[in-house]
Amino acid sequence: DQQVKQNSPSLSVQEGRISILNCDYTNSMFDYFLWYKKYPAEGPTFLISISSIKDKNEDGRFTVFLNKSAKHLSLHIVPSQPGDSAVYFCAASPGGDQFYFGTGTSLTVIP
Amino acid sequence: DAGVIQSPRHEVTEMGQEVTLRCKPISGHNSLFWYRQTMMRGLELLIYFNNNVPIDDSGMPEDRFSAKMPNASFSTLKIQPSEPRDSAVYFCASSSPWSPGEQYFGPGTRLTVT
Repeated sequence: DQQVKQNSPSLSVQEGRISILNCDYTNSMFDYFLWYKKYPAEGPTFLISISSIKDKNEDGRFTVFLNKSAKHLSLHIVPSQPGDSAVYFCAASPGGDQFYFGTGTSLTVIP
Repeated sequence: DAGVIQSPRHEVTEMGQEVTLRCKPISGHNSLFWYRQTMMRGLELLIYFNNNVPIDDSGMPEDRFSAKMPNASFSTLKIQPSEPRDSAVYFCASSSPWSPGEQYFGPGTRLTVT
């Protein structure tokens, strides 16, 4: 059973505009969330994280928002660049080492 | 640092054969994870080790799958016998005790079972 869901398998955005990637989870025990970015033929790389005590975390062009009541998080990329084209995975953990990943959203930034 | 190293990068084998995937974690990392990526289920955690000890193997799909970590610098994932439905990309990842939430992934092994 998928505890972390990314319902949009793909997203296309014009360069310079905002990209919004969404993620929903079902387990209320999750208290730490991450986003990973994956290029073809490479392993995922860590992008940004947020703990449940916050509702927003920002790192440069990347911002993650957490809505605990809705069990929803989102990743905003502003402005989007062609190099951001990749598959983005969200992941969640109830604590410790174990993380549950979503199925990924493929982002294409059109020049 | 070379990062997490996986071998082979690609493996093509026939149904029924034994397959062994190898992983060398980043030096100093004390947790190691094996994942399988499929289109339908995304990244599934198969098993993870902490200080070379298997902590949770509930994600291992069947008894055909086994994993070992004989020391801090090496782990194997074995499939015996392999089946076509095992075809996927298998990732190994490691994390340090100081940043347990940030996992560093290897490049993956693309397994094709015909």
